[in-house]
Amino acid sequence: EAAVTQSPRNKVAVTGGKVTLSCNQTNNHNNMYWYRQDTGHGLRLIHYSYGAGSTEKGDIPDGYKASRPSQENFSLILELATPSQTSVYFCASGDLTGSGNTLYFGEGSRLIVV
Amino acid sequence: GQQVQQSPSSLVLQEGENAELQCNFSSTATQLQWFYQSPGGSLVSLLSNPSGTKHTGRLTSTTVTKERRSSLHISSSQTTDSGTYLCAIDGNTRKLIFGLGTTLQVQP
Repeated sequence: EAAVTQSPRNKVAVTGGKVTLSCNQTNNHNNMYWYRQDTGHGLRLIHYSYGAGSTEKGDIPDGYKASRPSQENFSLILELATPSQTSVYFCASGDLTGSGNTLYFGEGSRLIVV
Repeated sequence: GQQVQQSPSSLVLQEGENAELQCNFSSTATQLQWFYQSPGGSLVSLLSNPSGTKHTGRLTSTTVTKERRSSLHISSSQTTDSGTYLCAIDGNTRKLIFGLGTTLQVQP
């Protein structure tokens, strides 16, 4: 079973502060993703990566940066956190090519920006 | 952009009843996946079914690609089936676009 681990699981940050959400996967997947989930909007893609050193913008990248320093790790960085970034963030890894492949999600990181 | 619409938005059943969840999408999809999200929890993949019919346990998914719709049938529902069911497509990209989900509550 694929394992995706996120940290921290819960975080309270102040407006204007820097927040880093970390994600680690142990299954050697090339692709990794950061989503946020909000009531009324569902899951929305922020950034994704096809492998170490690569990051791509998703559908709502503004206010976020991403970093993929290795195959296993993918971070989401909020340089200047704002209350509108209060949300639950999910990291996922996986390979969508081919039949039967899917994404494996972490447990989520709940961020509150005050 | 691509859109994924799910219906109904919520559903309440008595244990033992069957559930039928619908997913309609606005563009072609090489991947169509159903996920389950427990209350306050993470997402778990249930089925990958870009076309045709697929069964796993009490779940049956039918996807009609040319009509851009998919359904998820849950037979003999149990209280542990309660949660949110999400449909997602890829639209020929290597990323998934999600619908808002159907929240299912199964009462004992």
